[in-house]
Order: sequence, then C-alpha cells, then structure tokens
Amino acid sequence: NAGVMQNPRHLVRRRGQEARLRCSPMKGHSHVYWYRQLPEEGLKFMVYLQKENIIDESGMPKERFSAEFPKEGPSILRIQQVVRGDSAAYFCASSPMSRTGNTGELFFGEGSRLTVL
Amino acid sequence: DAKTTQPTSMDCAEGRAANLPCNHSTISGNEYVYWYRQIHSQGPQYIIHGLKNNETNEMASLIITEDRKSSTLILPHATLRDTAVYYCIVILGNEKLTFGTGTRLTIIP
Repeated sequence: NAGVMQNPRHLVRRRGQEARLRCSPMKGHSHVYWYRQLPEEGLKFMVYLQKENIIDESGMPKERFSAEFPKEGPSILRIQQVVRGDSAAYFCASSPMSRTGNTGELFFGEGSRLTVL
Repeated sequence: DAKTTQPTSMDCAEGRAANLPCNHSTISGNEYVYWYRQIHSQGPQYIIHGLKNNETNEMASLIITEDRKSSTLILPHATLRDTAVYYCIVILGNEKLTFGTGTRLTIIP
C-alpha cells in the first residue's frame, strides 16, 4: 500500500508565478490535510478537506492560496503570485474515514519544498 | 495558551531507553495524547496515542499518569535513526493536529 504521495518534491518559482502542489492520499483515505513548515519553524495547519469539500480552512492565508480535493484525482494546493515568504516545505497528510470521528492519526507525505527566487 | 509543555532538547545514549516527558496539566477528560516525530527533512510520523490507559506498539510505549496531567513517551532501545523532533499533542478526537515546538532528541553513539 503506497503511502501519501506528494509532487513535485522540489519546486522553484520566480516571484509572481504560480505554484501547484499535488497530494495523492493513501488508498482508502478520504481526508486530506495541508501543513506548511517555514525554514527553522514548526508545522502550521493550513486546510482540511474531504472529497469535494473544504472542511476547515482556518489556517489558509486570505489571499493567493487555495486548495481543492476533487472527486477524482489528487488534492491540489495552489499558490498564485508567489512571493519569497512562500518559500517553505508543504506537507500533505491523509487519514481514513473514522467511525469514531477520531482524526488524530495522520499519515504524512515527504513534502514539497517550494523555493521562490 | 499551549496545551503541552516539553523540554526543548534531550540527549540519549544509543541502546538505552529514551524517556520523553510531556506536561498537559489542563487536559480535559475527552482529550487524547498523541505523539509524532519528525526526522530531519522528512514528513512527520505518527508514533502512538492514548486516552487514559498506557499504550504500547512496535515503536514505543506511552505512559499516562493517573491524573492525566503528564505523560512519557518511551523508546525502549534508542538507535541513531531515532534522532528527531518529538511532538506531544493533546486534542479532542475530532480536532485537527496542532504542532508545537517539540523536543529535539539526539541519540549519542
């Protein structure tokens, strides 16, 4: 069973360009989370999605950032008009539908490292 | 207000048991204690979680005090590959994970 797959692993963009990060959850998982880790800082929650629904986007910056998890295909984190401050590691995690509603056991991918020049 | 308090860093000799403490004095009755770790440049890895009882799996043991105000993660025979930042997280069952600063554990050869 393949783990959470993220691509690209490394992405370089110039200021003003768009960055698209993809995340394929583990097979059978219907919950996806995105976290951001700035250099030398901790992991910060960004957004929680289920198929075709954004459940919690309280950690998403108000502008330029969007996320989706379509019925078919991977989850996408999109950053428009990137700035140098967007340089970070972006981690995706997935979890299965839990009968108890317990969402604490997440499986993380290896991350996508965005560098903005 | 942080829900947990962990030492900033710890060292442990290779082959010995690594005991990582976590204080969560304001934990409520329905909140779980989760432990994750992040090895350098990798994604976080789930280790173990518990509510009231002590738990053990192939990676570690989790000891929760009777009053639930603190817990200890035990790695029974630490190896160099256990060098990582270890996060203790307290959440309700349906809450999202919030990572603090964790404990940077260094295993010494």
